[in-house]
Amino acid sequence: DSGVTQTPKHLITATGQRVTLRCSPRSGDLSVYWYQQSLDQGLQFLIQYYNGEERAKGNILERFSAQQFPDLHSELNLSSLELGDSALYFCASSITGGGGNTIYFGEGSWLTVV
Amino acid sequence: AQTVTQSQPEMSVQEAETVTLSCTYDTSESNYYLFWYKQPPSRQMILVIRQEAYKQQNATENRFSVNFQKAAKSFSLKISDSQLGDTAMYFCAFMGDGEYGNKLVFGAGTILRVKS
Repeated sequence: DSGVTQTPKHLITATGQRVTLRCSPRSGDLSVYWYQQSLDQGLQFLIQYYNGEERAKGNILERFSAQQFPDLHSELNLSSLELGDSALYFCASSITGGGGNTIYFGEGSWLTVV
Repeated sequence: AQTVTQSQPEMSVQEAETVTLSCTYDTSESNYYLFWYKQPPSRQMILVIRQEAYKQQNATENRFSVNFQKAAKSFSLKISDSQLGDTAMYFCAFMGDGEYGNKLVFGAGTILRVKS
């Protein structure tokens, strides 16, 4: 158990809908990351937050947004869902987000868009 | 931009044997960090081993060790005494040394099958 908690574990929704994925980082970790793992794109970095502020942005679509709240939990919002958004979405956390910090992953949220 | 290349899509090894997974990377940074993560069929991402680029000594964690060649930008993972539980996808990953905005850049992964 990495200490990173993600909910829900599985989610099935229809195209065009909006979903929210939730993440609680490990106790003491200030930085949260979101990754998407799909069959054709591999593990793609989406976005990083540190203590409530956005720190780095990757291949995140405009239909997707994220935020980190004062209690350090984070949410990833996915809207206008398409079939291609079906993937495993990982949340991960680290102490400061600085170089060398080990990043610990949650168990992921499986999203299926039908 | 950094890139990570794992040239072996799949590998297999007999139980108790040794196997080496290859990884090369490209970066212009002088200091950085390298990781191997394991993803078993459960799909959870599990840290196997990490290496700081400024350390010349290769990292070791029990049956797992790395061969870090900084000049060649190579970072291979050696698994000794392979066990059935080692069957998984293995990802090599790179992280820069910025103060805050860092992320892991992953390779495409190598599927390792341990056979009995």
